[in-house]
Amino acid sequence: AQKITQTQPGMFVQEKEAVTLDCTYDTSDPSYGLFWYKQPSSGEMIFLIYQGSYDQQNATEGRYSLNFQKARKSANLVISASQLGDSAMYFCAMREGAGNNDMRFGAGTRLTVKP
Amino acid sequence: ETGVTQTPRHLVMGMTNKKSLKCEQHLGHNAMYWYKQSAKKPLELMFVYSLEERVENNSVPSRFSPECPNSSHLFLHLHTLQPEDSALYLCASSQDLLVVRNYGYTFGSGTRLTVV
Repeated sequence: AQKITQTQPGMFVQEKEAVTLDCTYDTSDPSYGLFWYKQPSSGEMIFLIYQGSYDQQNATEGRYSLNFQKARKSANLVISASQLGDSAMYFCAMREGAGNNDMRFGAGTRLTVKP
Repeated sequence: ETGVTQTPRHLVMGMTNKKSLKCEQHLGHNAMYWYKQSAKKPLELMFVYSLEERVENNSVPSRFSPECPNSSHLFLHLHTLQPEDSALYLCASSQDLLVVRNYGYTFGSGTRLTVV
C-alpha cells in the first residue's frame, strides 16, 4: 500500500514567491519521522527538513518550513522566497517506529522556478 | 561534494557483463543503504547494512549482490542484469539504524546504470 502520496507531479512558482508542496502519509504507528529531500538534476538527494511525530511545533530550516497537520496526516513543505536554484525534484519520505529500516518515499514533485 | 561518494557516476553494461558499484562514506555512520530509483517510480529500498551486517533485503533479485567489507564501504555487484534494471542507484548512510529521530540520510550522487 502506498504510504506516502505526493499529488503534484509538477509545480511552477515565480522567483521570490512562496510555494507549497503537498505530502500526505499513512501510518498506524504513533512514532514516525517525516523528511523532505531535494534532488537536483545532478542526482544526489539533499536532506532539507525533518519533523517528528511527537514534535509540538512545525519544523523550520531557513527558507524551508514544514506545515505538519497530524490529524490530517499531512506534511506539506513550504519554500519561501523561491530562488532559481530551487528548481529540482522534491521528495517526501517517512520512517516509521524504532527498528524499521525502510524509509518510504513519495513519487516526487518537480518544482520549476520561473525568473 | 557530499559525504557519500559513489563510483562510477555512469555505467553502461551488457546483459552478460559483471560489474560493481562502489559507495564510500567517511562520516562515521554505522548504517548504509542501497536504493533504486527508476523513472516515474518512488525510490525503492534494496539493502540495508548496519555495522557491516546485512539487516534487510527487500526481495531483490539475486542478480544484485551487496557487499559491505567495513563500515565505510558498500558495494553492489551486478551480473546478468536485464534492461528493466536500468535506473539510478543511490547509496545512503545514516548515523544509526534504529533511531527514528535523526537528521535524515546522507545520499551519494548515484550511479546511472544503463543495461543494453
